[in-house]
Amino acid sequence: AQSVSQHNHHVILSEAASLELGCNYSYGGTVNLFWYVQYPGQHLQLLLKYFSGDPLVKGIKGFEAEFIKSKFSFNLRKPSVQWSDTAEYFCASQRKGSQGNLIFGKGTKLSVKP
Amino acid sequence: DVKVTQSSRYLVKRTGEKVFLECVQDMDHENMFWYRQDPGLGLRLIYFSYDVKMKEKGDIPEGYSVSREKKERFSLILESASTNQTSMYLCASSQGTANYGYTFGSGTRLTVV
Repeated sequence: AQSVSQHNHHVILSEAASLELGCNYSYGGTVNLFWYVQYPGQHLQLLLKYFSGDPLVKGIKGFEAEFIKSKFSFNLRKPSVQWSDTAEYFCASQRKGSQGNLIFGKGTKLSVKP
Repeated sequence: DVKVTQSSRYLVKRTGEKVFLECVQDMDHENMFWYRQDPGLGLRLIYFSYDVKMKEKGDIPEGYSVSREKKERFSLILESASTNQTSMYLCASSQGTANYGYTFGSGTRLTVV
């Protein structure tokens, strides 16, 4: 069965610190991968996605993620976080080439201290 | 931009009531989904639909049913609401093939008392 693991439940950083949120997926076939963000009181928004090609994907607001197939990982990074990045972040996988459902991780709450 | 609209932002219902949560999308998407979101559990899929009048169970369908009579509308029904169904409910839609991700609605926070 397909599953997604996010390593950290809650991450607390100071402004300007670098961020890396871990995500591992378990599925033997090829997948699409996503990071969604949910700011306080708002709906889920797509941060970035990987379908194929360059494994380093750039998204909105300076976020990027790297797909490492050998590690089944898709970690999210940002070199310098801001207070406005405080949110919950969800990693998701989807079996490629089908109308497969998105499988979500449990989320990582990021708190950025000003 | 695709819009996914959930009819209520907050709902309070009594135990045993039949509850309807409505979701409408305006971009002719084939696929629609209902998730519930709970702290520490992430998003869990309740039901989904790839076409009108079609429905499939997700991971946690017990106590829920759905209806999709029109392509743009996907309703979630709690047959007899219970306190353990207090949660945030999220509707999402996507195009027919898998390579587009989802667009989410703003969610309905349901409290069952």
